[in-house]
Formats: sequence, C-alpha cells, structure tokens
Amino acid sequence: SAVISQKPSRDICQRGTSLTIQCQVDSQVTMMFWYRQQPGQSLTLIATANQGSEATYESGFVIDKFPISRPNLTFSTLTVSNMSPEDSSIYLCSVARGIVHEQYFGPGTRLTVT
Amino acid sequence: SQQGEEDPQALSIQEGENATMNCSYKTSINNLQWYRQNSGRGLVHLILIRSNEREKHSGRLRVTLDTSKKSSSLLITASRAADTASYFCASIQGGSEKLVFGKGTKLTVNP
Repeated sequence: SAVISQKPSRDICQRGTSLTIQCQVDSQVTMMFWYRQQPGQSLTLIATANQGSEATYESGFVIDKFPISRPNLTFSTLTVSNMSPEDSSIYLCSVARGIVHEQYFGPGTRLTVT
Repeated sequence: SQQGEEDPQALSIQEGENATMNCSYKTSINNLQWYRQNSGRGLVHLILIRSNEREKHSGRLRVTLDTSKKSSSLLITASRAADTASYFCASIQGGSEKLVFGKGTKLTVNP
C-alpha cells in the first residue's frame, strides 16, 4: 500500500479565484490520478498525472480549468481555476503501481465555492 | 461514463446481519475492485478480484465475480455499526487504463 496526503483538507473559496491542491505519496509510484466527487455522487476521473509531461484529461475536463503538475514520482498538484459554485466537490488523488493493481486514495480535499 | 451499477442504492440493516451489495458492468474487464468510503472522506481499498477468479475472501468480506453475467457481489458478514459507509465497485475496462466507478451503495448498520 501507499500513504497519501493531501493539502488542504478543506477550503472555502470565492468564485473567480483558484485553488491548488497538493498530493504527496510516501513512495515512488508509477501512476497518479485526480478524481472529482460531486455531492452525493460517485467518483469521476479528471485526469492522469504524467511525470514530466502533460496530464491526460478525460472527456469534459480541460487543462485550462484543471491544470495539473507532476514534477516527480511522489508529488502532484491539481489547480481548480476560475472557480464557480459548480466546482464545489471533493477532489481526490490516487496512486497505483500499475493499472491492473489496486489504487490507493488520499483523504480528499473538500472544496466549497461561494 | 459509469461502468458499474450498484444495487441497492441504499441498504439499512441491523448489527449482526449480513449485507449484500451487487454491481453490474457493461464491457469486458481486467479486474474489479471494491472500495469503502466513510462520510465523504478518502476511499479505502477493500478487495480486488481478477477476471479469471470467481470468488475471493478477506476477513468478513466475500466477493464473487460472474463474467458471463457481467456482475459482482460484495457480502459483508456479521455486520457492525463501523461498517456504515458507502461502498463502490470499480473496474478496469479491457484495453483501457481507466478505473471506472459505479454509483455506490450507501450501507447503514444500526446498533
């Protein structure tokens, strides 16, 4: 398994601002992912964070809105840009040693946009 | 798009009873995984079952997989109040690198 931390754990932000969420893993991992979980809903994959290159975004998510960095094999950031109330969600990072292996999730960042 | 569809959406039982949750999926899979989430916090990985396996046990958890019916079930035996959580199935679609989650079952175990 892997120990994953996320910062901040929660935040309340004003519309139009941006928030950067950090994800730190205690060991090197091959794959890192960012998910969004809207209130009362399941998880939706935003993107795969690629080390040293641009993230791979899922349909409906774009780099301008959700820029992602992954400078090394243990750290990634997700920025939620120009926020609106519809961005209020829990954002979770996860890691895996390979795609056919288990994914381990961070504790999540609960974002409220007012 | 959601791959897994869990049922029931919500389940309420008494402590000591067994809880069964079902998951169906639409395409071929490499494996299917079950996760637990307590009160909107991070997900905890419970168990992974590969496409060539039919049943797997872990403590009070029993997972079955029927690839002919494209379905899986999670059984929690002798439930406890601490089992109260949302349970999600998720699968890697064949040829994909995405883990796709179902809508989840909200389990309440009453003391």
